Amino acid sequence: GAVVSQHPSRVICKSGTSVKIECRSLDFQATTMFWYRQFPKQSLMLMATSNEGSKATYEQGVEKDKFLINHASLTLSTLTVTSAHPEDSSFYICSARAAGQGGNTEAFFGQGTRLTVV
Amino acid sequence: AQSVTQLDSQVPVFEEAPVELRCNYSSSVSVYLFWYVQYPNQGLQLLLKYLSGSTLVKGINGFEAEFNKSQTSFHLRKPSVHISDTAEYFCAVSESGGSYIPTFGRGTSLIVHP
Repeated sequence: GAVVSQHPSRVICKSGTSVKIECRSLDFQATTMFWYRQFPKQSLMLMATSNEGSKATYEQGVEKDKFLINHASLTLSTLTVTSAHPEDSSFYICSARAAGQGGNTEAFFGQGTRLTVV
Repeated sequence: AQSVTQLDSQVPVFEEAPVELRCNYSSSVSVYLFWYVQYPNQGLQLLLKYLSGSTLVKGINGFEAEFNKSQTSFHLRKPSVHISDTAEYFCAVSESGGSYIPTFGRGTSLIVHP
C-alpha cells in the first residue's frame, strides 16, 4: 500500500510554544489529507480536512487559529499547534487519499505524533 | 450522518483461540465499511474493507469480516489468534459514493494471553 510519513513521532514542548507536525505522502500524490486527534483509549476525532491549494475545512469545535493547517503541495500537509498548552497534549494522526480516487478507497495513515506539552 | 458502535471496549482471549470483534453501524444511505488495526503509538493500518459484492471479506493477517445489511453489522473474526494480534481495532464507516470521510467506532482492545 501507499506510504504516509508523519514527523516527528514524538515531541515535547513547553507551554506557550508552537509545534509543527508534517504529513507527507511518499509514493503518491494526495489531494486530500485528514488530521485526527486521539485521546487515550478513545477513537479518532476528525479535526480538519485539508485540500491542496485551498483552506482547510475544520470540524465543529476545532479552533482554526489554534490548529493551523497548510496543504502547500500534493505531498505535504502540516499541522501547527500554536501557543500549545497541556490540554493540547494528545496523539495526532494524519491520513491521505490519493489524487483521482473516489470515496470508495481508503485513506492511508501516518504513524502518528505524540505531543506532550509541559 | 452515520455512526459506528463497537460493543466491546476490551476482548481478552487466549492464544490460538478464535475471536470476534463486534461492529454495528447506522446510516440512512449505502455505506462502505472498514476495519483498521492500531499498534501502540502507531497510526492505523487497514485490515480489510467492504465496498460491494461478496459480503464475506478477507483481509490481512488472517482476519475476515462479514457484512450483514439486515443486522447492520460488520463483525471481525479470526479463527486462531496470535500474541502479535494484541492491538486496538477500529471499525469505520463512510457513505458510498461520498467524499470518504470515515466515522470511527471507539475501538476494541484485543488482548491475547499466552
